[in-house]
Amino acid sequence: DAKTTQPTSMDCAEGRAANLPCNHSTISGNEYVYWYRQIHSQGPQYIIHGLKNNETNEMASLIITEDRKSSTLILPHATLRDTAVYYCIVSGGGADGLTFGKGTHLIIQP
Amino acid sequence: SAVISQKPSRDICQRGTSLTIQCQVDSQVTMMFWYRQQPGQSLTLIATANQGSEATYESGFVIDKFPISRPNLTFSTLTVSNMSPEDSSIYLCSVLGTPDRSSGANVLTFGAGSRLTVL
Repeated sequence: DAKTTQPTSMDCAEGRAANLPCNHSTISGNEYVYWYRQIHSQGPQYIIHGLKNNETNEMASLIITEDRKSSTLILPHATLRDTAVYYCIVSGGGADGLTFGKGTHLIIQP
Repeated sequence: SAVISQKPSRDICQRGTSLTIQCQVDSQVTMMFWYRQQPGQSLTLIATANQGSEATYESGFVIDKFPISRPNLTFSTLTVSNMSPEDSSIYLCSVLGTPDRSSGANVLTFGAGSRLTVL
């Protein structure tokens, strides 16, 4: 699996958009970008994934650069409950367990 | 997505003892994974458990220390053997869902984890 680089921590004001960056410059053509988050004392929760195109679901939007070397997860209207560690993972999408990095600790400020 | 139940949710154990963690899924799944999350750290994959075959362990993890059973498509156990304080961690079970219809990518669902403290 390709390696990812994320900031250690970020702050965001409640109600504002939270933009979480991720660098994955060694991503291969068949690898997906996945985002998970882990709220304190819970198991990780899937958020969204993408291959080439930007994606949006009820939780977030995923913007992938044209060269696929980086991506941004956008939480459009952050709430206090979005405080969590967010993991950006690159994987081939096959039947393998995912490799988690250190993630970004996002703190939503009231 | 699948619903996963883990037991126990937490336990305090004595050094040298063993503890078995159970993972029950509400649907049949082919691939199950066990992760460890040490205090303040990210998740580390311990092994992949497929029904009908021996578990496949990641580097640094061995069957004698972390024996795994997978008797059917909805259940698995992980045993932490001969525990030491260094084994104090959260142990998480996860399952691989059906491939996403549009992209073909696979998504993991996690249980809430089992928090072990070894004294």
